[in-house]
Amino acid sequence: AQKITQTQPGMFVQEKEAVTLDCTYDTSDPSYGLFWYKQPSSGEMIFLIYQGSYDQQNATEGRYSLNFQKARKSANLVISASQLGDSAMYFCAMRGLIQGAQKLVFGQGTRLTINP
Amino acid sequence: GAGVSQSPSNKVTEKGKDVELRCDPISGHTALYWYRQSLGQGLEFLIYFQGNSAPDKSGLPSDRFSAERTGGSVSTLTIQRTQQEDSAVYLCASSLFQGREQYFGPGTRLTVT
Repeated sequence: AQKITQTQPGMFVQEKEAVTLDCTYDTSDPSYGLFWYKQPSSGEMIFLIYQGSYDQQNATEGRYSLNFQKARKSANLVISASQLGDSAMYFCAMRGLIQGAQKLVFGQGTRLTINP
Repeated sequence: GAGVSQSPSNKVTEKGKDVELRCDPISGHTALYWYRQSLGQGLEFLIYFQGNSAPDKSGLPSDRFSAERTGGSVSTLTIQRTQQEDSAVYLCASSLFQGREQYFGPGTRLTVT
């Protein structure tokens, strides 16, 4: 079984500051992928970044980076130079990478509010 | 290109009625997923289709829920004899076979009165 834990229900950050959203996971799968999605008030889930369990380097996508610490089973999302448009719900998710294990397991989410 | 589309965007139904929710995946995506997002349960997996393989129905909460995918493209999620606890946003996603990212549609907000 897989489990994702996001311990921050809400976060408030000043515009242009960096923010770290926490995510810890638990799985018995030897190979797995970790994902972050953004859900603005419009409701659509937007893929942000992916980290494979065997990737040697932390993933980066523009202002997003994933701080992957395998031994600690954490996959925190770092957003640099936050913008007002970053205000949204953020979900950490994972899935196994073995054949057939395609479903995503999500955490409860963190609501990020960027203040001007 | 066009993303995942879902219809209707909102659906209000009376308890006990049947509802059908539709999903049009991204063209060329062979994998299709249904998830449910509710206040109490968060985001839950419901069902997964891959090509002509038997679907993974392990997330369906009861036998009132069913889904089909015709011609490897459009999918319909059917909820029979709706209950108030079925009220949620139903999200559809698609991906390439063994694809990394799943691309989500805008969802259908279902309200059972």
